[in-house]
Amino acid sequence: AQSVTQLGSHVSVSEGALVLLRCNYSSSVPPYLFWYVQYPNQGLQLLLKYTSAATLVKGINGFEAEFKKSETSFHLTKPSAHMSDAAEYFCAVSGAGANSKLTFGKGITLSVRP
Amino acid sequence: GAVVSQHPSWVICKSGTSVKIECRSLDFQATTMFWYRQFPKQSLMLMATSNEGSKATYEQGVEKDKFLINHASLTLSTLTVTSAHPEDSSFYICSAMPGWEKNSPLHFGNGTRLTVT
Repeated sequence: AQSVTQLGSHVSVSEGALVLLRCNYSSSVPPYLFWYVQYPNQGLQLLLKYTSAATLVKGINGFEAEFKKSETSFHLTKPSAHMSDAAEYFCAVSGAGANSKLTFGKGITLSVRP
Repeated sequence: GAVVSQHPSWVICKSGTSVKIECRSLDFQATTMFWYRQFPKQSLMLMATSNEGSKATYEQGVEKDKFLINHASLTLSTLTVTSAHPEDSSFYICSAMPGWEKNSPLHFGNGTRLTVT
C-alpha cells in the first residue's frame, strides 16, 4: 500500500521568497515519487520525478526536490517564488512498472504575494 | 511529445442524460489509461484503470454501470457518465503513460468540467 501526506492545505509566500512544500510518503516497495502542478480548470503538469536515480531531482520552472529515505520525505523547493507559481501542487507516489497506479496527496495551494 | 488530449473541456447536461468524455493519446500508444475524478479543492481520486481490448478495472466504491469505460484502441479511451445526476458534477481527468519512455510518468489531459443541472 502507498500513501502520500501533504501537511497543510495552503502556503503563502512573498514574491522572491523561498518556496517549500512538504511531502511525506509511505510505501511498501521502493517508491517512485512525483510532483505535479495544476492551474485552475486544467489538468496536471509534471514538475519533476524521482525514480531511484539521483536523490536530488531538478524539474521545470526552477523547482527541485530531494528524496530522503530516512525521513520518507520528498519536499519541493524553489529558491525564489514568482507570481506565476501560484497554483495547486500535488505530490504523488507509485510503485515501479508501467501500469503502477499513482496515489496523490491532498494537494497544497501556493499563493504568492507581490 | 507525450500529449494527452481530452474532450470536451467542459459540458453541461440535464439530469438523466448521458455524457461521453474522450481521452486520446496523440503521439503515443497507451495500452493503459487512467480516469480520475476531482472534487473542488480536493485531490484526484482514481476511478478506474482502462485497459485496451479488455474490461476496465474499477476502484472500490466506483459504480461500473454508471461510469462506463471503453478502451477500443491504443489511442482512445472513453468515459460515459450514464443517467447523470447533479452529484456527478465534477472535474474528470484522464491520464496515460507512454510505453517508450523509461520510468515514464503519467501524462494528463486538461480535464473535463461536468455540470449536471
